[in-house]
Amino acid sequence: QKEVEQDPGPLSVPEGAIVSLNCTYSNSAFQYFMWYRQYSRKGPELLMYTYSSGNKEDGRFTAQVDKSSKYISLFIRDSQPSDSATYLCAVRKTSYDKVIFGPGTSLSVIP
Amino acid sequence: IAGITQAPTSQILAAGRRMTLRCTQDMRHNAMYWYRQDLGLGLRLIHYSNTAGTTGKGEVPDGYSVSRANTDDFPLTLASAVPSQTSVYFCASSDSRQGNEKLFFGSGTQLSVL
Repeated sequence: QKEVEQDPGPLSVPEGAIVSLNCTYSNSAFQYFMWYRQYSRKGPELLMYTYSSGNKEDGRFTAQVDKSSKYISLFIRDSQPSDSATYLCAVRKTSYDKVIFGPGTSLSVIP
Repeated sequence: IAGITQAPTSQILAAGRRMTLRCTQDMRHNAMYWYRQDLGLGLRLIHYSNTAGTTGKGEVPDGYSVSRANTDDFPLTLASAVPSQTSVYFCASSDSRQGNEKLFFGSGTQLSVL
């Protein structure tokens, strides 16, 4: 079983839609949860970073962690064509541990 | 603009040849990493270095070697390339003094081994 799993998509939504991206992980020892965004032919960039369970909001983006079900979500409100990218969830056990990435979900926001 | 520079951007390589992918950062980060990205498998850690002079193995180190002679440079060498090493390679860095919270990535090297 992979440590971090994501539906690869592709996910295609109309502009303005609410997008829900999801991720599951296998090890309850993970405490740090991240979402990276990767545009085509570019390196990933950190989008959201959360510690333990709960929600974190940053503009149109909300990251949600449910440690009891080992489930991570990223919500994008009022999606824009510029949100079209691959979204990678990532986890780590401690703040000094290696980051483990999921395979990514490809998102297309259609104007 | 501060960041990570990778070279070359892309390369086609004959199997059995030696190849070094270059990575330089100007952020004075102490930790550096090499990942490969393959469709359906995501980013997998090849090698890492927590500080100049030290290196460690990641998830998929076989066939690759690294060195960290100074803070800024972290080259990745394929001693004898094989077709399974066809991939996109990303170099990354972080400041572990801040708990490795954020990884900064380069733009990647697309490598094809024929």
